[in-house]
Amino acid sequence: DAGITQSPRHKVTETGTPVTLRCHQTENHRYMYWYRQDPGHGLRLIHYSYGVKDTDKGEVSDGYSVSRSKTEDFLLTLESATSSQTSVYFCAIRQGNSNQPQHFGDGTRLSIL
Amino acid sequence: DAKTTQPPSMDCAEGRAANLPCNHSTISGNEYVYWYRQIHSQGPQYIIHGLKNNETNEMASLIITEDRKSSTLILPHATLRDTAVYYCIVRGNTGFQKLVFGTGTRLLVSP
Repeated sequence: DAGITQSPRHKVTETGTPVTLRCHQTENHRYMYWYRQDPGHGLRLIHYSYGVKDTDKGEVSDGYSVSRSKTEDFLLTLESATSSQTSVYFCAIRQGNSNQPQHFGDGTRLSIL
Repeated sequence: DAKTTQPPSMDCAEGRAANLPCNHSTISGNEYVYWYRQIHSQGPQYIIHGLKNNETNEMASLIITEDRKSSTLILPHATLRDTAVYYCIVRGNTGFQKLVFGTGTRLLVSP
């Protein structure tokens, strides 16, 4: 299994509170990604990173920010959580070689009441 | 990235080969075919990928047609634990390489 740890695995919080999800890798891979998965939408890319302090937006980035201060950690922050951000969040990592696959973590189930 | 088409569901008897088709008729020359699966609420699991040659690993085989417009994922001896949603994804080898997951094929392996 790829060395990816997502924390927390489950979280319940209230609307308006800040939430930070963590993705930690032990593979020293260059690329890291955050996706969300919702019924009827499949996986959608939120943000990605192509190196330390190098990040960019995906297709559903509104309401989310990310940071990558170390190769091994990629943080996803919801500054003020809303009920529409209730979802399962997956982190993925990929080596720098162009055709290498992404490998996914086990996900974080986030419920915002 | 090219669009893929997969049947919504398939059944397979335990111990038999499961052959999952994927159509990607608009694939371009530098795009690879990737297969992932997702078991219940777990994270997507990478299975195999290829460009134009057939590929085999410990999990599965990937057969890509000569014109590259379709491919087949083969699980040689399906087990109950192979019950999952299988996704065929076509992706280029440049840029940040977002994966676009369609609706996939729900494979049910029965005793």
